[in-house]
Amino acid sequence: DAKTTQPTSMDCAEGRAANLPCNHSTISGNEYVYWYRQIHSQGPQYIIHGLKNNETNEMASLIITEDRKSSTLILPHATLRDTAVYYCIVRVPSNSGYALNFGKGTSLLVTP
Amino acid sequence: GAGVSQSPRYKVAKRGQDVALRCDPISGHVSLFWYQQALGQGPEFLTYFQNEAQLDKSGLPSDRFFAERPEGSVSTLKIQRTQQEDSAVYLCASSLVRGQYEQYFGPGTRLTVT
Repeated sequence: DAKTTQPTSMDCAEGRAANLPCNHSTISGNEYVYWYRQIHSQGPQYIIHGLKNNETNEMASLIITEDRKSSTLILPHATLRDTAVYYCIVRVPSNSGYALNFGKGTSLLVTP
Repeated sequence: GAGVSQSPRYKVAKRGQDVALRCDPISGHVSLFWYQQALGQGPEFLTYFQNEAQLDKSGLPSDRFFAERPEGSVSTLKIQRTQQEDSAVYLCASSLVRGQYEQYFGPGTRLTVT
């Protein structure tokens, strides 16, 4: 899977948009970008994924650059409950059934 | 509906003991994954099942680790002769089918080997 680079930590004020960047400069044409988050003492939670186009769901928006070398996860109105570690994952079909390669992620702290 | 459940939530084992960790995936989910998460790190892949078949066990760290899913639903991860470096959170995840689908994770089992 393509290697991803994320900032170690970020802060965001409650109610503001949180923009979490991810670099994946070696991404291949058939590799999807996935975002998961992990709230303290819980299992990871799926947020969103995309291939080329920007995507939006009830949790977040995913913006992928045209060259696909980077992406940004946007939480439009961050709340205290969004404090978590956010993982950007690039994956391609494999014998491991699409197992996830998490890396270290970005620790997002939402402050009052 | 019910999510992925794991038991026990916490396990303390003395070095050298055998442990068994259970995962109940979401009903009807074909794919099942086990991950290991050391303190301060992201989860790392251990093994993958499609129904009852273990298709990938490349992430298992040693032959002391063994996983099974005999009827294609519940899975058990067994660790023999536990060692201190086995201390970690063990996460189970399931997904509906093999493919680009989201994985649903359980809360994990925190194993502490003393």
